[in-house]
Amino acid sequence: GESVGLHLPTLSVQEGDNSIINCAYSNSASDYFIWYKQESGKGPQFIIDIRSNMDKRQGQRVTVLLNKTVKHLSLQIAATQPGDSAVYFCAESYSGGYQKVTFGTGTKLQVIP
Amino acid sequence: GAVVSQHPSRVICKSGTSVKIECRSLDFQATTMFWYRQFPKQSLMLMATSNEGSKATYEQGVEKDKFLINHASLTLSTLTVTSAHPEDSSFYICSVQLRGYGYTFGSGTRLTVV
Repeated sequence: GESVGLHLPTLSVQEGDNSIINCAYSNSASDYFIWYKQESGKGPQFIIDIRSNMDKRQGQRVTVLLNKTVKHLSLQIAATQPGDSAVYFCAESYSGGYQKVTFGTGTKLQVIP
Repeated sequence: GAVVSQHPSRVICKSGTSVKIECRSLDFQATTMFWYRQFPKQSLMLMATSNEGSKATYEQGVEKDKFLINHASLTLSTLTVTSAHPEDSSFYICSVQLRGYGYTFGSGTRLTVV
């Protein structure tokens, strides 16, 4: 089946710098995208989402960018902090109704103090 | 947002026995819940969609007779791993979708089969 994929398994960032985590998705029918943060031994934690009728959405210290032309999603974290260290997953789904979520492979973010 | 409680957080069982994992939606009536499995250093893979009052929908390759799902009420779904084997050792996570508000995940259950 179609899938969401990531190609950077580990990203090391200096504390205070900005982090950019990228994701490529392949299902052009997906219209809802979510970024999750997962700490070791815990379930995924919602960070931010975006629907396909938008190309940018901002939250607190985080920004998600969506490029539907090249099927690319990114998560930007401003002023990265040690507490941001975790594995980040992008995920895709369809909006409306109860639809399953397909997860990407994940990127481990390591923040260097 | 919705709160999802998953129990137990960790369980160790002997090979051949069955283990039940509970997923409760504490403040939201969930007609649909999702069950995921995650192996170490890998992503979450959807196993099945649990539907209140009806049969679960399983993803391709997931044995429905091995992973029994019961969604008897709007706040509780259970996943039973039957005749567990060491290869079933994994992190099992449930989630609830809030219409229009994204998805909330439980804290996960670490299953170790010895």
